[in-house]
Amino acid sequence: GEDVEQSLFLSVREGDSSVINCTYTDSSSTYLYWYKQEPGAGLQLLTYIFSNMDMKQDQRLTVLLNKKDKHLSLRIADTQTGDSAIYFCAEGSTSGTYKYIFGTGTRLKVLA
Amino acid sequence: AAGVIQSPRHLIKEKRETATLKCYPIPRHDTVYWYQQGPGQDPQFLISFYEKMQSDKGSIPDRFSAQQFSDYHSELNMSSLELGDSALYFCASSSGPTDTQYFGPGTRLTVL
Repeated sequence: GEDVEQSLFLSVREGDSSVINCTYTDSSSTYLYWYKQEPGAGLQLLTYIFSNMDMKQDQRLTVLLNKKDKHLSLRIADTQTGDSAIYFCAEGSTSGTYKYIFGTGTRLKVLA
Repeated sequence: AAGVIQSPRHLIKEKRETATLKCYPIPRHDTVYWYQQGPGQDPQFLISFYEKMQSDKGSIPDRFSAQQFSDYHSELNMSSLELGDSALYFCASSSGPTDTQYFGPGTRLTVL
């Protein structure tokens, strides 16, 4: 997505933590989302954060939001080989009606 | 829990043919969105409907049209298909125009 950027690749060892970063541009975004896409599969909603929060934890997932810098991150603790996928952040754009603007996606590869 | 259903899952067409993609939202969801994901790309918003009315339009070619029916299912009609239309087409639904979107598994369209 032209307005939402992510690094393209991340490689980690099994058991380590993964941190996937995202920068967005629409300061009016109410919610920010993380989706997981496995090869040839659909988009699975992992978690989301409301814009007035700075952190949300959900089991192995921790989302950090720095609204001032428009920076969002997803931390996956104890990364497993099953976590290998493409991870998209998305901002809810209020330009027009509500729609998602997706980031470019980060391909996470977990090495055994 | 019921999810978004898309049909068909795979579709192969020739150039200049037409295609119709169907989307059945989660029960009681009144808002439907269509996204297109080209190979190695992030999903791009095409069009959305709320309560059977078109609510927003993104980068949807004029050759494409869509509608939402009285039972809230939606169809994306694509005519004069081009090679560049080959992509994964996602439908998402939500229980209101600003609620979290849940994605279907996608329809993979291949244009030969």
